[in-house]
Amino acid sequence: DQQVKQNSPSLSVQEGRISILNCDYTNSMFDYFLWYKKYPAEGPTFLISISSIKDKNEDGRFTVFLNKSAKHLSLHIVPSQPGDSAVYFCAASETSGTYKYIFGTGTRLKVLA
Amino acid sequence: GAVVSQHPSWVICKSGTSVKIECRSLDFQATTMFWYRQFPKQSLMLMATSNEGSKATYEQGVEKDKFLINHASLTLSTLTVTSAHPEDSSFYICSASGSKAYEQYFGPGTRLTVT
Repeated sequence: DQQVKQNSPSLSVQEGRISILNCDYTNSMFDYFLWYKKYPAEGPTFLISISSIKDKNEDGRFTVFLNKSAKHLSLHIVPSQPGDSAVYFCAASETSGTYKYIFGTGTRLKVLA
Repeated sequence: GAVVSQHPSWVICKSGTSVKIECRSLDFQATTMFWYRQFPKQSLMLMATSNEGSKATYEQGVEKDKFLINHASLTLSTLTVTSAHPEDSSFYICSASGSKAYEQYFGPGTRLTVT
């Protein structure tokens, strides 16, 4: 039972263009979401977060959008750079004391120079 | 800020032996630490959650007698894989959260290979 899904295993984007990574979840109790970037054999690096009281959060080139009714969030990277090439995970948690995150399966982003 | 380290970064051990992995928060006090496991090309799976000074809470299907977790201080948690078997070979990652409980910072991971 995959509560957090990233249906696109991979994505290729030209340098300078927008990268859009999608994430869907099934548990309506999830109300805090994170995006992480991960290189092989390394731990995930925190990118950006959003709580359910917002529908958008922006940090530099990274913007996360949340559509609660659709149980969908997306990460936009503009402009995309070759150094952004990595695996991106979304993670979701309920706000209930300890934040236990459920991770999606990841999307491998390749930014072409 | 918010740096988490893990030691060792990789370890090879023989079947039947035990291996200890350390997770340290270097520049903040980690109220809660988490242990994850990642198989190749798969997602991170939460194994257990630990709060300083109390027993760890294990996720369903994780054997607590096999994966011993100790959160002895606000900056250190250890995971001991006891009587390791080849199927325990995996990438183990810890994370820690401090004053902002919703933010988790991950260590670089430990690659365990059991021969």
